[in-house]
Amino acid sequence: DQQVKQNSPSLSVQEGRISILNCDYTNSMFDYFLWYKKYPAEGPTFLISISSIKDKNEDGRFTVFLNKSAKHLSLHIVPSQPGDSAVYFCAASPLRKTSGSRLTFGEGTQLTVNP
Amino acid sequence: NAGVTQTPKFQVLKTGQSMTLQCAQDMNHNSMYWYRQDPGMGLRLIYYSASEGTTDKGEVPNGYNVSRLNKREFSLRLESAAPSQTSVYFCATGQGFSYEQYFGPGTRLTVT
Repeated sequence: DQQVKQNSPSLSVQEGRISILNCDYTNSMFDYFLWYKKYPAEGPTFLISISSIKDKNEDGRFTVFLNKSAKHLSLHIVPSQPGDSAVYFCAASPLRKTSGSRLTFGEGTQLTVNP
Repeated sequence: NAGVTQTPKFQVLKTGQSMTLQCAQDMNHNSMYWYRQDPGMGLRLIYYSASEGTTDKGEVPNGYNVSRLNKREFSLRLESAAPSQTSVYFCATGQGFSYEQYFGPGTRLTVT
């Protein structure tokens, strides 16, 4: 049972335009959400996160939106740059009560930004 | 600082062979994790260690064992490799109650 789903395996956008990556989850116990970016032959790197008590978090060109009632989150990249071309993973965690988080990842979306 | 390092970077095994994947971190983080990444399946947690001296199963632990050797090192062992264990393996670390995890560069393992 895939608790975190990224339904679009790939997305292609023009440089300078907005990229919107989507993620859906089914587990209502998830309380914290993260986006990771991964280049080929490298490990994933943390990009941005959001707590369930918020509906939006911004960091420069990156904004994550959370719709708890729909169990949906999205990552907006504005403006998109060719260096943003990578695989983006959505991840979720239940509320932490002890040290050691257990993240559940989506399948990933390959973003390609064309010059 | 090297962050999270993994050895080896690549490995080819025959079915039934054993091997140990090594992970070391210099970030002074308490928690360490092993994931595998397969096409179309994202990253799946194999085992994790919330702190030195403890280990717990993740989503896909069958066929693997782990050892948290000390705070810095967390190894993953395949006792009898199977073709289904062909994958890219990532080690990650996390600090205290932070949700964020920091990943190593990965080990690409092929079992023939």
